[in-house]
Amino acid sequence: GAGVSQTPSNKVTEKGKYVELRCDPISGHTALYWYRQSLGQGPEFLIYFQGTGAADDSGLPNDRFFAVRPEGSVSTLKIQRTERGDSAVYLCASSPERGEQFFGPGTRLTVL
Amino acid sequence: AQSVTQPDIHITVSEGASLELRCNYSYGATPYLFWYVQSPGQGLQLLLKYFSGDTLVQGIKGFEAEFKRSQSSFNLRKPSVHWSDAAEYFCAVGPPGYSSASKIIFGSGTRLSIRP
Repeated sequence: GAGVSQTPSNKVTEKGKYVELRCDPISGHTALYWYRQSLGQGPEFLIYFQGTGAADDSGLPNDRFFAVRPEGSVSTLKIQRTERGDSAVYLCASSPERGEQFFGPGTRLTVL
Repeated sequence: AQSVTQPDIHITVSEGASLELRCNYSYGATPYLFWYVQSPGQGLQLLLKYFSGDTLVQGIKGFEAEFKRSQSSFNLRKPSVHWSDAAEYFCAVGPPGYSSASKIIFGSGTRLSIRP
């Protein structure tokens, strides 16, 4: 079956611009996670959803970052006023009610 | 604070040789433990996990890991590596009572290169 998909695979933007990153989880998975992976580092937790609600957003670095999952399936990570330090690979994962997190291929964000 | 340490940034082994990747964790209680592999251009793939029970855990692709409570370690091993094992390996922890609704804390990774 289809895995977690993320679009776009690559995004290049200019400092100060707004970007949206999309995640399509595995069908039927109730939990969805966003992580950020900087070069040479492990993934760093940002936020996770259980259904439509954000159950833990403690990893969001500041209020420029926001994520939604309005219908409990697709999620969008939104970054306002992008900064060069936001450049990273943004990973999405989903999981069933209880079990393994399945990761997507990521979106590589480059802020010039 | 919870943390995961992978002391080896980069390891090179010869094809056919044995492999051990080190992982140490700091947690208030015994966490759930994971090893993930990330190949270039690929998503993270779970190799194995430890929740409880037998401290020697078997995973996919011939990997195994041993949980040692006294050393707060969860080292990954493989008896004979193949060139296709070249990748980045991440150790990770989840909280006790781990469910799907829990964040995972990752180590910084160990890059494995295979010498022909």
